[in-house]
Amino acid sequence: AQSVTQLGSHVSVSEGALVLLRCNYSSSVPPYLFWYVQYPNQGLQLLLKYLSGSTLVKGINGFEAEFKKSETSFHLTKPSAHMSDAAEYFCAVKTSGGYNKLIFGAGTRLAVHP
Amino acid sequence: DVKVTQSSRYLVKRTGEKVFLECVQDMDHENMFWYRQDPGLGLRLIYFSYDVKMKEKGDIPEGYSVSREKKERFSLILESASTNQTSMYLCASSTPSGSTYEQYFGPGTRLTVT
Repeated sequence: AQSVTQLGSHVSVSEGALVLLRCNYSSSVPPYLFWYVQYPNQGLQLLLKYLSGSTLVKGINGFEAEFKKSETSFHLTKPSAHMSDAAEYFCAVKTSGGYNKLIFGAGTRLAVHP
Repeated sequence: DVKVTQSSRYLVKRTGEKVFLECVQDMDHENMFWYRQDPGLGLRLIYFSYDVKMKEKGDIPEGYSVSREKKERFSLILESASTNQTSMYLCASSTPSGSTYEQYFGPGTRLTVT
């Protein structure tokens, strides 16, 4: 069975600082991995996904994530935080069955201060 | 662009009332999902549907039912609302064909049961 663990329910950074949001997964099959972002009072929006190929994945708004099989990790980074990055971020893994079901982590709320 | 809409952004209901949450998608997606989102718990799958009139239980189906009479519409029903069903409800859709595996989310309905 698949599972996702996000380390740190709250992360706070200064504007311009590096953003690092951690995600570890468990999967018995090659994983399909996703990062979603949720801005206040909105639904979830896809940031990026890893299905296969290059292990460094670039997404929207300057975010990227690296798939590391040996560490079962898929951490999300952005070199320089912007105030508009303040949101909740969810890591997810596709289940091994059909229907495109996803299992989500508990989420990490990112705060960006001046 | 895929658009997923939900019938209400905010809803207040009394204990024991029957509650209907509606979700409509405009991309002819086969799969539709209902989640509830609670702080610290991430998104938990309530029910999903992979075709008209077809449904399967997710991880937390107790107290809920669903209906899918048309491909574009997926309804979540709380037969007798209780205070522990106060939550954010998110609908999503996806397509299995040629798939990118991602899910597209609606804006959410924040339900308060008093």
